[in-house]
Amino acid sequence: QVQLVESGGGVVQPGGSLRLSCAASGFSFRNYGMHWVRQAPGKGLDWVTFIHYDGSKIYYSDSVRGRFTISRDNSKNTLYLQMSSLRAEDTAVYFCAKTLSSTSSPSYNSFDIWGQGTMVTVSS
Amino acid sequence: QSVLTQSPSVSGAPGQRVTISCTGSLSNIGAGYDVHWYQQLPGSAPKLLISDNNNRPSGVSDRFSGSKSGSSASLAITGLQPEDEAVYYCQSYDVYLSGAWVFGGGTKLTVL
Repeated sequence: QVQLVESGGGVVQPGGSLRLSCAASGFSFRNYGMHWVRQAPGKGLDWVTFIHYDGSKIYYSDSVRGRFTISRDNSKNTLYLQMSSLRAEDTAVYFCAKTLSSTSSPSYNSFDIWGQGTMVTVSS
Repeated sequence: QSVLTQSPSVSGAPGQRVTISCTGSLSNIGAGYDVHWYQQLPGSAPKLLISDNNNRPSGVSDRFSGSKSGSSASLAITGLQPEDEAVYYCQSYDVYLSGAWVFGGGTKLTVL
């Protein structure tokens, strides 16, 4: 079945780095744009970053631009999020999510499949 | 402060109908961007409930429906059931923010 499985979360000190992975299965990963969305403890959903199906276009929220890098390896059906200069406010569950349509504009597309999330805790 | 505004909470008795509103602006919903709705059960990942303003993905109950008008959107739930108790989020795209997909703050639905 269609599935996304995140990994790589953990506890890291402020200023540290971490790389998250999102393994996709059950669909043609190379045809779909992908997002990372995070949720701080007890808070709402916060969009982080998006990458086009072929990696040609990438967008970041203002809060992570310059510190986080999204990438993908379509040969491995895997999405990545490299996080550096981490801050306490980056503490959250990080979800990867697939866009619904492979043909619609990303700005109109919903997020139809979500992973279970991986927890990132930034603390000294 | 979320770009899309939702009431923090709503409640209803089993069998009743409730609506959850999502208010945006001319830079997002009012600019013509679609609104999508997600249901998040406690301890779970969000689940797509309504796509493109009013489309239900396969497997989603027809008790859920969406609508959009101007710069606002609504999610209606009819025949409330205890398992509908969850947090509901609206989501759209904002043209003024640099490549920004935006979420509402979420509405906690309590089934009395």
